[in-house]
Amino acid sequence: KAGVTQTPRYLIKTRGQQVTLSCSPISGHRSVSWYQQTPGQGLQFLFEYFSETQRNKGNFPGRFSGRQFSNSRSEMNVSTLELGDSALYLCASRDTSYEQYFGPGTRLTVT
Amino acid sequence: GIQVEQSPPDLILQEGANSTLRCNFSDSVNNLQWFHQNPWGQLINLFYIPSGTKQNGRLSATTVATERYSLLYISSSQTTDSGVYFCAVEGGTGGFKTIFGAGTRLFVKA
Repeated sequence: KAGVTQTPRYLIKTRGQQVTLSCSPISGHRSVSWYQQTPGQGLQFLFEYFSETQRNKGNFPGRFSGRQFSNSRSEMNVSTLELGDSALYLCASRDTSYEQYFGPGTRLTVT
Repeated sequence: GIQVEQSPPDLILQEGANSTLRCNFSDSVNNLQWFHQNPWGQLINLFYIPSGTKQNGRLSATTVATERYSLLYISSSQTTDSGVYFCAVEGGTGGFKTIFGAGTRLFVKA
């Protein structure tokens, strides 16, 4: 099976812009979770989607949002970008076994 | 929410040495995974181990859920083992909200 894929892999945006990141899970996996990794805060949980519904949410401002489509692909959006949003954004998928599998990440730089 | 502490934060080994990485968590967990993050940022699954012991080649892991800790053993370390090792848990009242430890940064010298 193909692994989790994320697009784009690298992105440079300007403060105030918005960005959309995409994640395609492993075939058959219905749960997709998003994480932000920064040197200062480490790996932090953003949100999790299961069957198109947000099932869990981390402690991030409302500028961070996501959605999941009927084919389980997921997108996350960050509006009004801030310098502190520069990070590696990782998504993970899982089936009913609870073990998560991660994609390669999208490295976002906000200037 | 659950607190996850990993130790040591940094570890330098000579190639061929053995090591033990520890993960302590503050509440009961339903899921626990160990990952290795390579220099390109990819998180590689090592073990899914909410309880018990597993082995995979030179790596093994043990989780003692009742005492709220997990251990990752690396034997006969190789330079390719270098990177950051993360413990990630879910449980308590957090549902499927995964909490990562701060990681152990391992450097294996040739």
